[in-house]
Amino acid sequence: DIQMTQSPSTLSASVGDRVTITCRASQRIGNWLAWYQQKLGKAPELLMYQASSLESGVPSRFSGSGSGTEFVLTISSLQSDDLATYYCQQYSSYPYTFGQGTKLEIK
Amino acid sequence: EVQLVESGGDLVQSGGSLRLSCAASGFSFSSYAMSWVRQAPGKGLEWVSSISGSGSSTYYADSVKGRFTISRDSSKNTLYLQMGSLRAEDTAVYFCTKARPTGIKFHMDVWGQGTSVTVSS
Repeated sequence: DIQMTQSPSTLSASVGDRVTITCRASQRIGNWLAWYQQKLGKAPELLMYQASSLESGVPSRFSGSGSGTEFVLTISSLQSDDLATYYCQQYSSYPYTFGQGTKLEIK
Repeated sequence: EVQLVESGGDLVQSGGSLRLSCAASGFSFSSYAMSWVRQAPGKGLEWVSSISGSGSSTYYADSVKGRFTISRDSSKNTLYLQMGSLRAEDTAVYFCTKARPTGIKFHMDVWGQGTSVTVSS
């Protein structure tokens, strides 16, 4: 199975900050990576797919990059609405696997 | 509007069975693969199972293989997860997801609101 490791596990930042979350795969997955945002008590929502494609309706302050084994989700200017937990997920092969999540806190 | 509505979650005893349903609307159900993902209380996301659009191919996490069965009924636009030999560690919110193809792979683009399963020992 492909293991996905996110860092950091928790991140505290101020409104307006640039925020980056890293996701590493235990083996090469091409660019078959998605990012999800989950707000407290809600279902996850798709942010990015194929590592760098922005889902329709997602604010342009979100961007993704990477391929192979290392991926990054960037929020260019943090907003209070971005308070959430973020997950990466590989869909290169079954079993699909998720990172453990990064909890983003607003200072 | 694409919508996924799960139902069937309940409190069940260890060793028991349960069937979850996911009613889909707003898209051509039989054209898309579907999946179940679960989240234990206070924990992260865990992929459980996927099924192709035709229903001919199914995939399972090792943690549920042999105990859970995914299926779909295109006449009812409904996805199912038959859960058996339930264990305390199956306690979770179960999400139904729709897959979107990109090239030769599928990512999960739409999620339902989830249904809660509690297994008591």
